Amino acid sequence: GAGVSQSPSNKVTEKGKDVELRCDPISGHTALYWYRQSLGQGLEFLIYFQGNSAPDKSGLPSDRFSAERTGGSVSTLTIQRTQQEDSAVYLCASSLTMAPGTEAFFGQGTRLTVV
Amino acid sequence: LAKTTQPISMDSYEGQEVNITCSHNNIATNDYITWYQQFPSQGPRFIIQGYKTKVTNEVASLFIPADRKSSTLSLPRVSLSDTAVYYCLVGAYSGAGSYQLTFGKGTKLSVIP
Repeated sequence: GAGVSQSPSNKVTEKGKDVELRCDPISGHTALYWYRQSLGQGLEFLIYFQGNSAPDKSGLPSDRFSAERTGGSVSTLTIQRTQQEDSAVYLCASSLTMAPGTEAFFGQGTRLTVV
Repeated sequence: LAKTTQPISMDSYEGQEVNITCSHNNIATNDYITWYQQFPSQGPRFIIQGYKTKVTNEVASLFIPADRKSSTLSLPRVSLSDTAVYYCLVGAYSGAGSYQLTFGKGTKLSVIP
């Protein structure tokens, strides 16, 4: 596609439910990143993929968070048993490579509200 | 990972030049310096990137001194539409030898009529 696409754009869920957020990166981009941005705050790095592999999962806030990427393309971020503190905008970005100096392109984000 | 420090906020009048400085004292040899712009309810957008000296594009200039421990984003003749949060990033390598983007808190620029 022309840009990074995220869906849904907005998601309201009840506390305790599971949610799945989707990211469709720019075609051909091998690197994919997930960030979280709480209201009025900066970006918090969650996880990155190089191809289908996520070498470092230490940025995920808790074991309720998981992410996968298949076919070197679409990625899903899953939050199990959502809590109110999970409410934030979840941003996805992709870049052509992981070489230093590579520009990352961001999607519009998914605004998650846990009620 | 290289940590960045930048002012929390800045105000400027329309038509003025704005300079936002970012400190990155422990920048690594292979790190690039990148600036992103973020409008409310949007994802960040790439502005400019450099390694050393000066880089200029149609939007901004980036000044990097020889020691690379800081950088300055220069926005010429700002307009109201430049009101946004500006993030300074330094490319960082994790222990696995891979590259990840690390965002700081950002500088909220408010352009005043």
